[in-house]
Amino acid sequence: DQQVKQNSPSLSVQEGRISILNCDYTNSMFDYFLWYKKYPAEGPTFLISISSIKDKNEDGRFTVFLNKSAKHLSLHIVPSQPGDSAVYFCAVRIQGAQKLVFGQGTRLTINP
Amino acid sequence: NAGVMQNPRHLVRRRGQEARLRCSPMKGHSHVYWYRQLPEEGLKFMVYLQKENIIDESGMPKERFSAEFPKEGPSILRIQQVVRGDSAAYFCASSPDRGHGYTFGSGTRLTVV
Repeated sequence: DQQVKQNSPSLSVQEGRISILNCDYTNSMFDYFLWYKKYPAEGPTFLISISSIKDKNEDGRFTVFLNKSAKHLSLHIVPSQPGDSAVYFCAVRIQGAQKLVFGQGTRLTINP
Repeated sequence: NAGVMQNPRHLVRRRGQEARLRCSPMKGHSHVYWYRQLPEEGLKFMVYLQKENIIDESGMPKERFSAEFPKEGPSILRIQQVVRGDSAAYFCASSPDRGHGYTFGSGTRLTVV
């Protein structure tokens, strides 16, 4: 069963505009929600996270929103830059466990 | 301060052979995690280890797969009698404590022919 879903396999955005990546989850027992960025042939790089007790966390151009009632997580990147082109994974951590459950990823392409 | 080091970067094995994947965590990190990524999929948790101990192996296949993190040296993920379905990217991550902040290595791409 897929506990974490990223329903858009790809997204194309114009440079300078906002990129919005979405993630849905099914389990209420997650305590941390994270976004990772991955370039080809490299490992995932941590971008930003949010605790289940918050609904927004901001770090520079990146903002993560958590809607617990809808079990929905989103990542906003503004303004989008060509270097943001990568695959983005959302991940969740189960309370009391150390493992992360990842979504399938969304390939973001920023067009000049 | 070197990051998480994985080697080899690429590994080709024939069906039935053994694959050994190595992971040296970041300096000061005593927690190691192994994940597998199949083509076009997200990363799937395999195992979580601390020095000399397996803490959670709930994601490890029951047969042919084993992991260790000895007192000295890197963590090893061992796959015996590899099959084509084992072809994947295997990522190791480390952390200094039980927090959620992992640092991932660049991965080992295993191809079984």
